[in-house]
Amino acid sequence: QSALTQPPSASGSPGQSVAISCTGTSSDIGSYKYVSWYQLHPGKAPKLIIYEVSKRPSGVPDRFSGSKSGNTASLTVSGLQAEDEADYYCSSYTGSNNPFVFGTGTKVTVL
Amino acid sequence: QVQLQESGPGLVKASQTLSLTCSVSGGSVSSAGYSWTWFRQSAGKELEWIGRVYVSGSTDYRPSLKSRITISLDTSKNQFSLRLTSVTAADTAVYYCARGVSAEGTFDIWGQGTMVTVSS
Repeated sequence: QSALTQPPSASGSPGQSVAISCTGTSSDIGSYKYVSWYQLHPGKAPKLIIYEVSKRPSGVPDRFSGSKSGNTASLTVSGLQAEDEADYYCSSYTGSNNPFVFGTGTKVTVL
Repeated sequence: QVQLQESGPGLVKASQTLSLTCSVSGGSVSSAGYSWTWFRQSAGKELEWIGRVYVSGSTDYRPSLKSRITISLDTSKNQFSLRLTSVTAADTAVYYCARGVSAEGTFDIWGQGTMVTVSS
């Protein structure tokens, strides 16, 4: 199972929006609604920010939104804030005996 | 709220066994409906699912690691553990534990990770 493809970096000024793509295949993203997004700050626990393509856990601001079309999922962060500067990873269920595949990661910089 | 914390040696010699523990606080590993899961991330690479254990004791392992892995639950200590035998430099990574809330891969609570280096 190959890693999902994400752009290495994305950036925006405070208040702007940034969108991150996550491209997989018909065997993972294209077949299942189980796409998650995680935010990683160095030295801190990864944080779930989107699950099942577009659902937000309690406590995650509605500035974070997710979507999916075909084999590609997307995370949009609106109204960028300094604390959004982090690495973001997507993940998809694959239904195989190696059930979870992650993206290559995107570093978001707030200018 | 539920918190997870990994612990274990930061340095393991090649060919030996890596053993890590994830302590759970604010909740119980015996709670139904959850999986207790291990991940790792090597430098410059994506996160990698290693395996999981359910309260029933059933486990799922990454196929490429299956022959070397054991994940177990200790309900008396409210923790779960990872054993990885015959380690090589390729096993050097940050290891994370996490709670899974669905079989299809929603992991809602994570530990902050622990770096394990395999030395020759």
